Amino acid sequence: QVQLQQWGAGLLTPSETLSLTCAVYGGSFIDYYWTWIRQPPGRGLEWIGDINPAGIANYDPSLRRRVTISLDTSTNQFSLRLTSVTAADTAMYYCARVVAASMMDRRFDYWGQGTLVTVSS
Amino acid sequence: DIQMTQSPSSLSASVGDRVTITCRPSQNIGRSLNWYQQRPGKAPNLLIYAASSLQSGVPSRFSGTGSGTDFTLTISSLQPEDFAIYYCQQTYSIVPLFGQGTRLDTK
Repeated sequence: QVQLQQWGAGLLTPSETLSLTCAVYGGSFIDYYWTWIRQPPGRGLEWIGDINPAGIANYDPSLRRRVTISLDTSTNQFSLRLTSVTAADTAMYYCARVVAASMMDRRFDYWGQGTLVTVSS
Repeated sequence: DIQMTQSPSSLSASVGDRVTITCRPSQNIGRSLNWYQQRPGKAPNLLIYAASSLQSGVPSRFSGTGSGTDFTLTISSLQPEDFAIYYCQQTYSIVPLFGQGTRLDTK
């Protein structure tokens, strides 16, 4: 049974750095990509980026200057850092596992429970 | 960027109804299309991948068809737990964009 458990600070002030971690329990860690998605209140899903087992990350172009995704294979965890946050970064943040048969054949099959991050002065 | 357009944006239906949701990408994506269900307050749940493959554990009343620029998610007989928001997602490009969602509620 695969489970993703995520945590991090839920309340930030503008200009601070968002930091979230996702721990993976069950299943292989090194055989999958791992991804972060966010959902602003009342809105749809936004992909932030992903990371492959070799530690190579891809990011949404609109966030690339501020985001870093990293992984730690010794603890089966991966993390998200987003610098210089503003109110526009207020959202529910999810981590998820990516099954990638190929770059054009990917799917997010297990998700974390979500972490609500609010940015407010 | 590939834009994803879902229709309708909202839909009212009754238990037992057959429901169809459409997703149209702005360019040909082959069969690189997934469908997710999101219940209130919950993380999304994968239903269909690669346009028509049913994810393990998902009831068979859910099905997906299509390729290229025209995709459909069908729920053959709506159950009470199916009232939720449904999202399509293309994985053809490096940035796997989601559609804007279709809210399915009770009539």
